Amino acid sequence: AQKVTQAQTEISVVEKEDVTLDCVYETRDTTYYLFWYKQPPSGELVFLIRRNSFDEQNEISGRYSWNFQKSTSSFNFTITASQVVDSAVYFCALSEINGGATNKLIFGTGTLLAVQP
Amino acid sequence: EAGVAQSPRYKIIEKRQSVAFWCNPISGHATLYWYQQILGQGPKLLIQFQNNGVVDDSQLPKDRFSAERLKGVDSTLKIQPAKLEDSAVYLCASSLSIGTVSYEQYFGPGTRLTVT
Repeated sequence: AQKVTQAQTEISVVEKEDVTLDCVYETRDTTYYLFWYKQPPSGELVFLIRRNSFDEQNEISGRYSWNFQKSTSSFNFTITASQVVDSAVYFCALSEINGGATNKLIFGTGTLLAVQP
Repeated sequence: EAGVAQSPRYKIIEKRQSVAFWCNPISGHATLYWYQQILGQGPKLLIQFQNNGVVDDSQLPKDRFSAERLKGVDSTLKIQPAKLEDSAVYLCASSLSIGTVSYEQYFGPGTRLTVT
């Protein structure tokens, strides 16, 4: 069964601290995609990153970095030098290809990140 | 480039009433999705369209929910009759055509529905 687990319900840090958001997934497929989305208080889901199951290279984008490890079925997200504007709910999501029939996103329950000034 | 548009942004209705939500996807995006997000949870797919055909509606409560995308562009999601447990944010998303690649989905601002 497809499942995404974000064990951290809430995280609170002080500005400029580094913070890592954990994501563990379950899938029987060999071909799949992983995503991270940000949902600020305004409510709109903002796309952050997409990785496919064949690309385990870590990625860095500014203060954001992602660590994908198939051996542990994890796709963790690190924010370096956090800022108040990073405060939001962060969702990890999984999409399977299913032969092109559907690519719905299976979301985790989200991690609420609060960055204190 | 314009994003995904949704209306209304907020709606309050009484149980057993009907309600409809509208979505206009990003231009050129063949795939359109409706998700339901209950407070404190991640979004859950209700229905997925590829152009004007339904790809996945396995989690759509078909006794009360319906959706259409007649011309392969705009879409409407309807609830009739509404129940208290339908209170949620309804999110519309769009992406490039599916196939062997799962493209990122871009979400609209959502419609917050409160059923009293």
